[in-house]
Amino acid sequence: EDKVVQSPLSLVVHEGDTVTLNCSYEVTNFRSLLWYKQEKKAPTFLFMLTSSGIEKKSGRLSSILDKKELFSILNITATQTGDSAVYLCAVETNRDDKIIFGKGTRLHILP
Amino acid sequence: EAGVAQSPRYKIIEKRQSVAFWCNPISGHATLYWYQQILGQGPKLLIQFQNNGVVDDSQLPKDRFSAERLKGVDSTLKIQPAKLEDSAVYLCASSLMFTVHEQYFGPGTRLTVT
Repeated sequence: EDKVVQSPLSLVVHEGDTVTLNCSYEVTNFRSLLWYKQEKKAPTFLFMLTSSGIEKKSGRLSSILDKKELFSILNITATQTGDSAVYLCAVETNRDDKIIFGKGTRLHILP
Repeated sequence: EAGVAQSPRYKIIEKRQSVAFWCNPISGHATLYWYQQILGQGPKLLIQFQNNGVVDDSQLPKDRFSAERLKGVDSTLKIQPAKLEDSAVYLCASSLMFTVHEQYFGPGTRLTVT
């Protein structure tokens, strides 16, 4: 059965800290790995990763994929209170264009 | 560009009652998805439409859930009868065909079953 596992499930840090969120997966017909940020209700897209070892970066956020070890990390440097959200990892499969989500990591940034 | 629209935003019903949710995807998006997100979990795909055809409904509890997208645009998701464990946020998303990673999510409908 395809699955996506995120850790930790929740994390509380102080503003300015750097955090690393983890995502491991076991899926057949892997196509890509996706990261989303969910603040209120609708997840918003952050990154899509398809190749191992190539870092994607957007401001203070960066992510990398390891297709051999089947995991990805999302790094946030110099965290701000506005980074408080649930971060969802998902894997896209070639079968039926399906996305499988992990449970998410709830990140809370203390001022 | 208008986003994915959903209504209602909130709904409270008693168990065994029926409820329906509506979704209007982004214009031109052939693929439409309904997700159920229970508190503390990631979204779980319930059903995926490509135009007005069902691509995947393997996780849809068909004894009580139904969905349709008759004209390949708007979609409705119905629960009849509702159970306590159906309390969740129901998210609708849409994407262009074959670009599932570029899904745009609607604001969701928060359902509480009492």
